[in-house]
Amino acid sequence: DTAVSQTPKYLVTQMGNDKSIKCEQNLGHDTMYWYKQDSKKFLKIMFSYNNKELIINETVPNRFSPKSPDKAHLNLHINSLELGDSAVYFCASSQLGGNQPQHFGDGTRLSIL
Amino acid sequence: SQQGEEDPQALSIQEGENATMNCSYKTSINNLQWYRQNSGRGLVHLILIRSNEREKHSGRLRVTLDTSKKSSSLLITASRAADTASYFCATDSSNYQLIWGAGTKLIIKP
Repeated sequence: DTAVSQTPKYLVTQMGNDKSIKCEQNLGHDTMYWYKQDSKKFLKIMFSYNNKELIINETVPNRFSPKSPDKAHLNLHINSLELGDSAVYFCASSQLGGNQPQHFGDGTRLSIL
Repeated sequence: SQQGEEDPQALSIQEGENATMNCSYKTSINNLQWYRQNSGRGLVHLILIRSNEREKHSGRLRVTLDTSKKSSSLLITASRAADTASYFCATDSSNYQLIWGAGTKLIIKP
C-alpha cells in the first residue's frame, strides 16, 4: 500500500493553463504539506494543513491554491501556469510537530511548454 | 527558507568505503533529521537526533550532532551501490515547518 500517493506523476502543459495535483495519505497523519523542488534540488515549503486548517502559507504566488477536503487529502491547484512553475512538487504528511518524520509522495514533475 | 547547508555538495566514492556528509545550521534547534532521496523518488526519513543527543546509530548509519558548532554529520559505513542518492538534513523551527539543507549528492561507484 502506498502511504502518500500523488497524481499525476508527470504533467506537461502549456503556459497559461490551469492544472491540479492531487495527494492522498493513508497513514492517519493530521498534517500534510506541499513542497516545491527546483532543478538544483532546493526544497521549499509552500503550504501545510493540519486537520484541514491552513497552518503554513509561505510566500507563493496566489495562483497556487491548496484545498484540503479532509485530513487525508491535500490538493494543489495552479492557475495561469508560468514557465517558472516548472519543478517537481512533493506532497508529504506527518503528525504535527517539528520532531515528527515526514513521509513523502514520489512527486509530480511539472513541465511548462 | 534554507537554513542548513550540506557539505560537500557532491561526493563520489568506491563501494565499500565510508561516506561522510556534514550539515550546518544557523539557529538553535530541538532536533535534526536526515533524509535520503533516490533519483525520481520522494524523500525518505532516515534518522532523527534530538538536541540533547550527541550520537545516534541506525544500521550502517551514524549521526552526530554538535550543538555548540551548529553542525551534524551523517556517516554511512561500508557503502553500497544502493546508497547512491541525495541526502538532506532538516531542522525544526518555531512554526512546525522543517528547514531544509541543500543536499549532498552521493555516488557510489561499483
